[in-house]
Amino acid sequence: GQQLNQSPQSMFIQEGEDVSMNCTSSSIFNTWLWYKQDPGEGPVLLIALYKAGELTSNGRLTAQFGITRKDSFLNISASIPSDVGIYFCAGQLKGGGNKLTFGTGTQLKVEL
Amino acid sequence: DAGVIQSPRHEVTEMGQEVTLRCKPISGHNSLFWYRQTMMRGLELLIYFNNNVPIDDSGMPEDRFSAKMPNASFSTLKIQPSEPRDSAVYFCASSVSGGNTGELFFGEGSRLTVL
Repeated sequence: GQQLNQSPQSMFIQEGEDVSMNCTSSSIFNTWLWYKQDPGEGPVLLIALYKAGELTSNGRLTAQFGITRKDSFLNISASIPSDVGIYFCAGQLKGGGNKLTFGTGTQLKVEL
Repeated sequence: DAGVIQSPRHEVTEMGQEVTLRCKPISGHNSLFWYRQTMMRGLELLIYFNNNVPIDDSGMPEDRFSAKMPNASFSTLKIQPSEPRDSAVYFCASSVSGGNTGELFFGEGSRLTVL
């Protein structure tokens, strides 16, 4: 099936550092979303992007919908310990209805 | 406000047994999704419903898996007979169809272990 390639697979950073992760696909997506999953919990929506080129912020998080509609990135500024978790990109294919395809995930670990 | 409610949270069963996972979506949401999460394959969509009608079940692995949504507030995912490779965390999610698409609300998941 359709895959979203997410990188990096994992990151181990110092508290206060900025973080960047991205997601790419060979197909065009109408919508890009970023979710975060804490251990033992389901994914929670962080940011949703609906237009190519759109740049959206949510607190310390910033995400962009790539111009080609085949990629997206997420930045986290000034990381804190509670940012630890797995971050997933997700997208809706053009003509794919309500279906969301999820990326492979980026595991973030923050060192105090 | 109640989110998506799944049960059981954990289930351990033996190979060959029937497993039934349950989901109550958020009230007012008319789309419901079943996902499976494993280390090897990540989050995979199994099936989704709009207004209680199955729209896409292409992700259901095989005939041993079945899902129903008898009404707007309840859905089940059944595995019969279960096999060890079915061990995974199964998530139910709901959303408002026609709203901001892609904004899924997930339950806490049902962790299934088949011995």
